[in-house]
Amino acid sequence: QKEVEQDPGPLSVPEGAIVSLNCTYSNSAFQYFMWYRQYSRKGPELLMYTYSSGNKEDGRFTAQVDKSSKYISLFIRDSQPSDSATYLCATGGSGSEKLVFGKGMKLTVNP
Amino acid sequence: DAMVIQNPRYQVTQFGKPVTLSCSQTLNHNVMYWYQQKSSQAPKLLFHYYDKDFNNEADTPDNFQSRRPNTSFCFLDIRSPGLGDAAMYLCATTDRDSGNQPQHFGDGTRLSIL
Repeated sequence: QKEVEQDPGPLSVPEGAIVSLNCTYSNSAFQYFMWYRQYSRKGPELLMYTYSSGNKEDGRFTAQVDKSSKYISLFIRDSQPSDSATYLCATGGSGSEKLVFGKGMKLTVNP
Repeated sequence: DAMVIQNPRYQVTQFGKPVTLSCSQTLNHNVMYWYQQKSSQAPKLLFHYYDKDFNNEADTPDNFQSRRPNTSFCFLDIRSPGLGDAAMYLCATTDRDSGNQPQHFGDGTRLSIL
């Protein structure tokens, strides 16, 4: 079992849709969680960072962590064509310098 | 303002010809990473520096080397690039001493091998 599994893509939605992106992880030592957005031919850009179970909201984006089930999600409300990108979940353990990444989900929002 | 800067953005080299990719940062972070990312795959960690301490991943080929002459700069040297080394190379930084902070990435160097 891989340490981080991310839902396979690609995902295509109409503009305005609510998007749900999901990852599961296997190591209970993972303590902090990130979502990165990566546009084509660019580096990953930090979108959301959270250290605890629960929800964290930033504009149209909500990150959700459930440590009991080792499940992390990113919700995008009112999706826009500019949200079209690959979304990577990542997680790391307390005191560790390393991140473990999901494989990435390519999202296309159609106008 | 770009905080992790990678140069060049695109690099073409010949099979077996050494190549160096560079990364600089204005964040004064003490950890710098090099990742390799191939199409539709997650970034794969090659190595990282915590200050001057070099940490190599077990499965990083000997063909890949790195140098960090000071806090701001880090280089990736590929001694004899093979066709399989064509990829996007990403540099990232973090500040370990500030707790569990996320990594900040540059825009990468896309390496092509002729």
